[in-house]
Amino acid sequence: AQTVTQSQPEMSVQEAETVTLSCTYDTSESDYYLFWYKQPPSRQMILVIRQEAYKQQNATENRFSVNFQKAAKSFSLKISDSQLGDAAMYFCAHWMGNEKLTFGTGTRLTIIP
Amino acid sequence: DAGITQSPRHKVTETGTPVTLRCHQTENHRYMYWYRQDPGHGLRLIHYSYGVKDTDKGEVSDGYSVSRSKTEDFLLTLESATSSQTSVYFCAISPTPDGVNQPQHFGDGTRLSIL
Repeated sequence: AQTVTQSQPEMSVQEAETVTLSCTYDTSESDYYLFWYKQPPSRQMILVIRQEAYKQQNATENRFSVNFQKAAKSFSLKISDSQLGDAAMYFCAHWMGNEKLTFGTGTRLTIIP
Repeated sequence: DAGITQSPRHKVTETGTPVTLRCHQTENHRYMYWYRQDPGHGLRLIHYSYGVKDTDKGEVSDGYSVSRSKTEDFLLTLESATSSQTSVYFCAISPTPDGVNQPQHFGDGTRLSIL
């Protein structure tokens, strides 16, 4: 079975600083996709960033970037210049071709003013 | 924003009663999903649909059934609600199953409490 592990239930960071959220996954496939979703208190699920496994280059979206280590099955999210609006639950998710996303248990990120 | 509407947004009901949650989309997407979100578990897939009248089970399908008679509507039914089904339920849609060209878009969720 697919598993996605987020080992940090909670993280906090000072405003304007950088924080990295960890995610590891388990798969025997070579072609798959990975995602980070953000869930603010409004409960909406918002896609932050995605990575295709066959691409070696790490995905970047403005202040958000990933460190994708395929051999280690690691997919961490780095948030630079943290802002108060970044406070949310962050979910890592994995898709490997079976029409289903598998989500991790989430990391709650707090931004300290 | 993708046009997804979940109804109701909140519901409180009693154990043993039937409950139906509705997901309505205006995007004409082929794939529709129902998830439940619980503390410590993240989002878990209940059922999904890959077309009208085409559905399949997810990892936590026991106690739930679904129906999709039209492209735009995907219904989740709890035939006899139990307290363990108290949760926040999310619907999601996607034109493709991989979320690459267009990721899954989520509704705003339904908070269901079963007393």
